[in-house]
Amino acid sequence: SQQGEEDPQALSIQEGENATMNCSYKTSINNLQWYRQNSGRGLVHLILIRSNEREKHSGRLRVTLDTSKKSSSLLITASRAADTASYFCATGWYSWGKLQFGAGTQVVVTP
Amino acid sequence: NAGVMQNPRHLVRRRGQEARLRCSPMKGHSHVYWYRQLPEEGLKFMVYLQKENIIDESGMPKERFSAEFPKEGPSILRIQQVVRGDSAAYFCASDSQGNTEAFFGQGTRLTVV
Repeated sequence: SQQGEEDPQALSIQEGENATMNCSYKTSINNLQWYRQNSGRGLVHLILIRSNEREKHSGRLRVTLDTSKKSSSLLITASRAADTASYFCATGWYSWGKLQFGAGTQVVVTP
Repeated sequence: NAGVMQNPRHLVRRRGQEARLRCSPMKGHSHVYWYRQLPEEGLKFMVYLQKENIIDESGMPKERFSAEFPKEGPSILRIQQVVRGDSAAYFCASDSQGNTEAFFGQGTRLTVV
């Protein structure tokens, strides 16, 4: 079974609105990462948050991590049509590259 | 510095043929990871390799699948006697000791007809 479970599965918003998606996981982690995937393309790394961090920002992205609840959230502020993509959370333990991915949240941003 | 290079980008094989997928890690990276993504799903870890060593193959199917990362040249994921269920996107990632993230290639989309 997937380690990470994203919620919601799909999200449709208008340009300018904020998009929030959540990720829950089951086992202990060393880090949690968020990726974006445009349809039929490779993955783009968005942000990494370590298990001893609670919040991280990068541009219009804000990620939180609550290890007591085994959950993380990704907030995209002031969304744009170009943010339309699938977003995945992935958890790592002993290696930065060995990750367990969730099934993803499909985000559609309409102009 | 080129990113992680995977080839081919698209591969079509008939049932029973062999598929060979190649991954050249980023310059200076000594770790390679292979993932499989079925349609509408997230990526599933398959195998973690360092040069000439398989570190973790806990995600590899027991039969027909093998991977190598030789001292020289790209990493190869080999699927023998492909079946329709092998149709998927296969992604490779690389990192090195001390990196804080792994970098992904664009993937190889395998279609078995």
